[in-house]
Amino acid sequence: KAGVTQTPRYLIKTRGQQVTLSCSPISGHRSVSWYQQTPGQGLQFLFEYFSETQRNKGNFPGRFSGRQFSNSRSEMNVSTLELGDSALYLCASSLASGGHTDTQYFGPGTRLTVL
Amino acid sequence: GQNIDQPTEMTATEGAIVQINCTYQTSGFNGLFWYQQHAGEAPTFLSYNVLDGLEEKGRFSSFLSRSKGYSYLLLKELQMKDSASYLCAVDNYGQNFVFGPGTRLSVLP
Repeated sequence: KAGVTQTPRYLIKTRGQQVTLSCSPISGHRSVSWYQQTPGQGLQFLFEYFSETQRNKGNFPGRFSGRQFSNSRSEMNVSTLELGDSALYLCASSLASGGHTDTQYFGPGTRLTVL
Repeated sequence: GQNIDQPTEMTATEGAIVQINCTYQTSGFNGLFWYQQHAGEAPTFLSYNVLDGLEEKGRFSSFLSRSKGYSYLLLKELQMKDSASYLCAVDNYGQNFVFGPGTRLSVLP
């Protein structure tokens, strides 16, 4: 079974621009979560989508948004980029079977650099 | 809320055993997970604990004590390729995963 894929792998933008990142989950997985990883803050939860609906949201400004399509693929958008948005953006998918706990599997990430 | 703590760095010798601790203050969670992350790569799932006790998977074992707010990851027969960061995370009742800061392990020959 193919793993989680993310595109693009690397991105360089300038302040004020916007960016869209894409994530394709493992086949059959219905939940997609997005995380930002920086050396100083570690892995921080952005939001989670399930059945095209945002189920949970972390503590990030409204410039960070996302969506999920009917095939479970997800996109994340960051508008009005700031230097501090430079990070590795990771997406993780899980089965969301409704069981007691659900393992998340990560994609390779998109390395965003804001100049 | 969730607050998770791990040692920042550890060093061990090839062939040895190392224990990486994770302590947390939390109101509760579904399960506690361990991930391995090599530099520049994505985290990969290692193991998880739902109930108290030890879960063994080959060279890796993970232990959980909910009453003590404590977990550890045990790595046996260390290999050079085990040099990586190890992240502990709690499943916040299906809402999201909360990750600790990670422990960078260096395995020396």
